Amino acid sequence: SAVISQKPSRDICQRGTSLTIQCQVDSQVTMMFWYRQQPGQSLTLIATANQGSEATYESGFVIDKFPISRPNLTFSTLTVSNMSPEDSSIYLCSVEEGTVNSYNEQFFGPGTRLTVL
Amino acid sequence: GNSVTQMEGPVTLSEEAFLTINCTYTATGYPSLFWYVQYPGEGLQLLLKATKADDKGSNKGFEATYRKETTSFHLEKGSVQVSDSAVYFCALLYSSASKIIFGSGTRLSIRP
Repeated sequence: SAVISQKPSRDICQRGTSLTIQCQVDSQVTMMFWYRQQPGQSLTLIATANQGSEATYESGFVIDKFPISRPNLTFSTLTVSNMSPEDSSIYLCSVEEGTVNSYNEQFFGPGTRLTVL
Repeated sequence: GNSVTQMEGPVTLSEEAFLTINCTYTATGYPSLFWYVQYPGEGLQLLLKATKADDKGSNKGFEATYRKETTSFHLEKGSVQVSDSAVYFCALLYSSASKIIFGSGTRLSIRP
């Protein structure tokens, strides 16, 4: 199974600033995903990031607010732009592994806990 | 559409009690089903999985059986420990869509 690391693990930021979260995987993966988990809530998919193409955003999320980079098959970044207290959440990246003949499974990073003051 | 409904929490039990957290799903076709666990202050970890009807996933004393006839994937453990205190998420995944749908999560607290 893939091993995923995220940086930073947590941060406290001022409103109006931006934070870039990094996600590193120990193997090459095609599909990477970014999720948000607001306090006391379940996980919500922000976008799907495939290497070599633009990220695909879910309803309610836009590229200007959450720009994503996917420069290669082991790395991605998510930027939370012009932050407000409502952006305080845990942000998680995940990757999908699987083969043609087996089911696909997603593995999650440890998350980045963001607090916006 | 596809969805996952799980038991609302919080659930509070005494140590060594029997645990059931209900999970039902609505889906077309044959998704894979998962239970994820989130311990306090930590990220999400896969607890167990089942990929087809009648499969039983198991790990750390937890079990869940993929029941297609009742569209359920209830999580059970015979004797819980304080260390099991966490939030548990039921989820489904269509391999073709690659999009996990999570339930709302159930917070479990175990009293010593």
